[in-house]
Amino acid sequence: GENVEQHPSTLSVQEGDSAVIKCTYSDSASNYFPWYKQELGKRPQLIIDIRSNVGEKKDQRIAVTLNKTAKHFSLHITETQPEDSAVYFCAASLLSGGSYIPTFGRGTSLIVHP
Amino acid sequence: DAGVTQSPTHLIKTRGQQVTLRCSPKSGHDTVSWYQQALGQGPQFIFQYYEEEERQRGNFPDRFSGHQFPNYSSELNVNALLLGDSALYLCASSPSPGSGELFFGEGSRLTVL
Repeated sequence: GENVEQHPSTLSVQEGDSAVIKCTYSDSASNYFPWYKQELGKRPQLIIDIRSNVGEKKDQRIAVTLNKTAKHFSLHITETQPEDSAVYFCAASLLSGGSYIPTFGRGTSLIVHP
Repeated sequence: DAGVTQSPTHLIKTRGQQVTLRCSPKSGHDTVSWYQQALGQGPQFIFQYYEEEERQRGNFPDRFSGHQFPNYSSELNVNALLLGDSALYLCASSPSPGSGELFFGEGSRLTVL
C-alpha cells in the first residue's frame, strides 16, 4: 500500500520567516495531494491541494510543489504569522474503484514565534 | 450551512465493551468516510460509505463496522474494545466518492480503560 513520510515533525520559526514541510510517497499511482491544517483541539481543514498534472499551485501565502518523478511534494508558507501555528498533514490519494483513498503523513507541528 | 457534525464528542469505555459513533455529513454531500487518529499521528482511513454501502476499507479488523442511512448520515461501531482503540475518531464527508476533498467533523474522542 501507499506510504507517506513527512518531515520535519516539528518546525519552529520566527514571525515573518518562511516555512517548508516536505513529504514523500511510495505509490506512483497516487495522483491527488491535499494538505490539511489542524489547530489544537479542532478538525483538520483543507488548505491547499494539487493534482499530478500540475507542478505548482499557489494561494496567497501558501504554495505547494509536486515532483512526480521523485515522488515528493512540499508545502511552502511565506511571511508566517502566529495564527499559522498548527499541525499540518500531507496526504497522497489514490483513486481506487472510483473512490479517492488518502494516506496521511504523521504531521508537522509548526510553531510561529511572535 | 451546517458542516459535518459528530456525536458524542467524548466518551469513556472499558475493555470488551462496544461503542457507536455518529456522523451527519455536510449538506449536499453523499459520501462519508471514517478515520482513526491516534495521539501524535495522522488520520488513518477506516472505511468509506456511499449509497448505503461500504465502498472501500482500510487495514482495520472486522470489529470495526459501519452503516450509512438513506439521509447519508453514518455510524461507526467498534466491538470488543481494546486499549489500543483509544483515539480521536474523525468523520469526513465529500460530495462524491471520487472528489478527493474531505470535510472533517470535530471528532469523537474515545478513551478505553
